Amino acid sequence: NAGVTQTPKFRILKIGQSMTLQCTQDMNHNYMYWYRQDPGMGLKLIYYSVGAGITDKGEVPNGYNVSRSTTEDFPLRLELAAPSQTSVYFCASSRRTLQGAANYGYTFGSGTRLTVV
Amino acid sequence: GENVEQHPSTLSVQEGDSAVIKCTYSDSASNYFPWYKQELGKGPQLIIDIRSNVGEKKDQRIAVTLNKTAKHFSLHITETQPEDSAVYFCPHAGGTSYGKLTFGQGTILTVHP
Repeated sequence: NAGVTQTPKFRILKIGQSMTLQCTQDMNHNYMYWYRQDPGMGLKLIYYSVGAGITDKGEVPNGYNVSRSTTEDFPLRLELAAPSQTSVYFCASSRRTLQGAANYGYTFGSGTRLTVV
Repeated sequence: GENVEQHPSTLSVQEGDSAVIKCTYSDSASNYFPWYKQELGKGPQLIIDIRSNVGEKKDQRIAVTLNKTAKHFSLHITETQPEDSAVYFCPHAGGTSYGKLTFGQGTILTVHP
């Protein structure tokens, strides 16, 4: 199993450009998440999804959009990139327990380092 | 509310020494306490976790202890090695069923050879 795969690993965007960060997992996990991590800081939740077709906002959703058309894929879209979106982006997934709640054991991808200039 | 305070923010030890990182939480409903390790240039990795019905859990050189009365849980690393150098996080597990984790700034552990 590849786990959680993120592409690209690095990207430089100009202010106002758009891009999609790709995330795919092959573990059949229901729950998926997008976090951003600024230098020397913890991770902040951008968006999350509890299953195909269901997404919701996290702590810092402004400037981002997501979709979840399949269990495997959870792309993050940046429209009109701004310097404040310079960060490292991590995608993660977790399975749902038999009781219906996520088991909190996240598997993270290796991240996408984005610079907006 | 949902809040976890982690101490210390940085920790420097000599190889072979023990390291302890402590997290204090405020939400009495918290029932899941994970620890993640993030190495340089990588995503965080779950290294150990504990649920509220257990007081201690060990996995080789690492252990987590939970004091529900005092509302704190700690990560213990024994016989530290240079490869233990990383940032360690004790994220708060949200009270909903959606498994959202709230991360603080973590503890930077440096193990000197």
